[in-house]
Amino acid sequence: QSVLTQPPSASGTPGQRVTISCSGSSSNIGSNYVFWYQQLPRTAPKLLIYRNNQRPSGVPDRFSGSKSGTSASLAISGLRSEDEADYFCASWDGSLVFGGGTTLTVL
Amino acid sequence: QVQLVESGGGVVQPGRSLRLSCAASGFTFSSYAMHWVRQAPGKGLEWVALISYDGNSYYYTHSVRGRFTISRDNSKNTLFLQMNTLRPEDTAVYYCAREDIVVGITATAYGMDVWGQGTTVTVFS
Repeated sequence: QSVLTQPPSASGTPGQRVTISCSGSSSNIGSNYVFWYQQLPRTAPKLLIYRNNQRPSGVPDRFSGSKSGTSASLAISGLRSEDEADYFCASWDGSLVFGGGTTLTVL
Repeated sequence: QVQLVESGGGVVQPGRSLRLSCAASGFTFSSYAMHWVRQAPGKGLEWVALISYDGNSYYYTHSVRGRFTISRDNSKNTLFLQMNTLRPEDTAVYYCAREDIVVGITATAYGMDVWGQGTTVTVFS
């Protein structure tokens, strides 16, 4: 059971906008930054969003993050087949905690 | 180019030890805190340990505290994870990752922006 709760799966068609939620509590998301990581099949994770809504250089602006209270969301617009991956949210809560991950399928 | 390369994984029996290494190149290793993160087969990510840029501060997840030791040698640009008294539930791919963070002050975190390719640890009898 992960400290941060994500839906196990999400899906969309090419060009569509998809959002992935991450629910926490006052001790983690409510008082700390949220980070998002993308893990393509059989590869290491990659930082996608840091400090709730900041994109590292090289990450397309199709990816955006937001946070409100004890929840956060990752939005992917203009969905592409190469976005098919696992997505993990993370935040600090004494230790670093991850969500259980969401597998995104592009139909 | 900026790179992290893990090594040292393998198959071991429960109760035995293993030492993982993570060789850094392409950046000033001594300026960054370093993490170990693991992923059990078919499961999500689990944070394991964090060490400050100078090696003087470190944190562990509860399940490995007292069994695992994170350390670094900045003169050799290398991060280590000494794993003792291994259990079957420690079976996972172990990744090292860097972060620009002042350990202990989460408001300074910038996220783990460089990851290694992972090394596999299998614990079974």
